[in-house]
Parts: sequence; C-alpha cells; structure tokens
Amino acid sequence: ETGVTQTPRHLVMGMTNKKSLKCEQHLGHNAMYWYKQSAKKPLELMFVYSLEERVENNSVPSRFSPECPNSSHLFLHLHTLQPEDSALYLCASSQPRGGRRGELFFGEGSRLTVL
Amino acid sequence: GESVGLHLPTLSVQEGDNSIINCAYSNSASDYFIWYKQESGKGPQFIIDIRSNMDKRQGQRVTVLLNKTVKHLSLQIAATQPGDSAVYFCAESRNYGQNFVFGPGTRLSVLP
Repeated sequence: ETGVTQTPRHLVMGMTNKKSLKCEQHLGHNAMYWYKQSAKKPLELMFVYSLEERVENNSVPSRFSPECPNSSHLFLHLHTLQPEDSALYLCASSQPRGGRRGELFFGEGSRLTVL
Repeated sequence: GESVGLHLPTLSVQEGDNSIINCAYSNSASDYFIWYKQESGKGPQFIIDIRSNMDKRQGQRVTVLLNKTVKHLSLQIAATQPGDSAVYFCAESRNYGQNFVFGPGTRLSVLP
C-alpha cells in the first residue's frame, strides 16, 4: 500500500469528453507531481507543485489542466484529448529539503485510453 | 504501472543468480541518482540511491555502482528471486533531486 493514492485506476474517454484524475498523498509532503508514462518513452515530467503553487509546467498542452487545492491533493483535468494522449499518468510526491526536491514517491497510476 | 507495449531491453536471469542492470546517464553535472522498480500494475518504487561523491552503495541484496568518468550507473541484485521480475529505471538529477530525468528502463525476467 503506497502513501500516494490515484483514482480512477482506469479511464476510457472520447476526444470530446471532460474528465479528471485525482491524486491524494498521505505522507505529509509539500511537493506533488504529474508524470506521463507512454509506450516507448521514458517517464516524462508534466507538472510540479510546491506548497500548492505550480512551479513547473513542462511544455504540456493546455488540454491538460492541473489543480492543487492543498498540499495533499492534486488533480489533472482532461479536455478534448487526442488518442496519442493515451498513457499511464503517474502522480508522485516528495518532501523538499534545503532547496532539493528529494526522493519521489509514486502512486499506482491512472491508465488513460482516449478513443 | 503497466509496461505493456514498451519495447524495453530485457535481461533474463536464472533464479538464484546475480543480476546486473546498466544505465548510461546523459548529464555530467548530475549529482544524485536513484534506481526505481516498477512491477506490472504498480507505480515505480524506490530501491536505492547514490550521490555523486560516492561510487558504491549497498542495500539489502542490492548494490549500486556509479562511474562518473563514463557516466554509467549499474544496479546489482544478488540471488535474484521471482519477485524481482519488473522494469527497472534509473533516474538522474542535479542539485540532489531538483529535476529527475528517467532512463528508458530495463525489463528483468527471472527464470525458474
């Protein structure tokens, strides 16, 4: 059982749908992340939030919209996605210390399929 | 975390043998490295880390070796067990974890 919980674990959506992925961390960390894991590519960083403030947006298309209402919760809102957005979306958290982000703790991921 | 569809390098080892998984990293300024294990249907899990001021670090049944000269990292697993079957990723970062860059991964398959 990890300290980072993601829901839903599986999601199938059409290109015109709007859906959201949810992440909750129970580790008391101050930083949260969204990563994308797709076939044939290494893990790609999408967004970083530190103390609920977005500190990094790694050139992600605007059809992905993150939200961090507090340091324990992170959402990824999805709208008008493309089939190539089908992937495993991983949430992670870490506890920054002394300017360093620290070790990442990952959730189990949300497997997204866009039809 | 599913890796189905990923055309990863695969290492097959006999149960009980030692495994060595290699990783070439790209940035000579990287100073902190982590090995993660990802089993089918799960997210990546931390195995062991090493800072650039070290060249070897040991954990329980695992050893990480760092060769900064050739920018090479390896993970050694002693007495490999069926439960070690997974995809293994190395991750490099500068500023001790400021931004992690992940390698493509290696699939370890343990044969009975």
